[in-house]
Amino acid sequence: QKEVEQNSGPLSVPEGAIASLNCTYSDRGSQSFFWYRQYSGKSPELIMSIYSNGDKEDGRFTAQLNKASQYVSLLIRDSQPSDSATYLCAVKGGSGNTGKLIFGQGTTLQVKP
Amino acid sequence: DTAVSQTPKYLVTQMGNDKSIKCEQNLGHDTMYWYKQDSKKFLKIMFSYNNKELIINETVPNRFSPKSPDKAHLNLHINSLELGDSAVYFCASSQGVTITSGNTIYFGEGSWLTVV
Repeated sequence: QKEVEQNSGPLSVPEGAIASLNCTYSDRGSQSFFWYRQYSGKSPELIMSIYSNGDKEDGRFTAQLNKASQYVSLLIRDSQPSDSATYLCAVKGGSGNTGKLIFGQGTTLQVKP
Repeated sequence: DTAVSQTPKYLVTQMGNDKSIKCEQNLGHDTMYWYKQDSKKFLKIMFSYNNKELIINETVPNRFSPKSPDKAHLNLHINSLELGDSAVYFCASSQGVTITSGNTIYFGEGSWLTVV
């Protein structure tokens, strides 16, 4: 079982729709969760982080965390063509002060005009 | 100014060669990383240094050797390159090892390595 799993997609949504990206993780002790966006040929950039169960909103982005189900998701409202990218879910693994980010394989999102 | 810069950006080399990728950050961070992203977009940590000290050393072949001459630089040397080493290698940095929304990892632009 992979430590962090995502559906690789592609996920295709029309412009203006809500895109829903999902991620599951295997380490029940994980405490920190991140969503990175990676445009083709570019480096990953952090767009959201979440640490507590529930929802966290930032502009058009909402991260949702359910630790009991070991599930984290990212909702993108009013999707724009510029949102077309690969979205990487990352979980902070490791113990103590040597934490590392464990990434899923990413979900490719295509927003069609 | 580029925060995390890597050179070269593109590298095509033959099997068996030895090559190095250099990384420098001007953010004043004390922690640097090497990540490898394979053809399936899977991004996986290889090494991490904190104040020039190796703190994460994942299971990678010992043909890969990182070197941190100071906390602003982390280079990656690869001996006896193999076809399977073809990937994008990302250098990254952060302030400390505790990753939070206020202490994120900054990635470089990546180095595309192709072994033929």
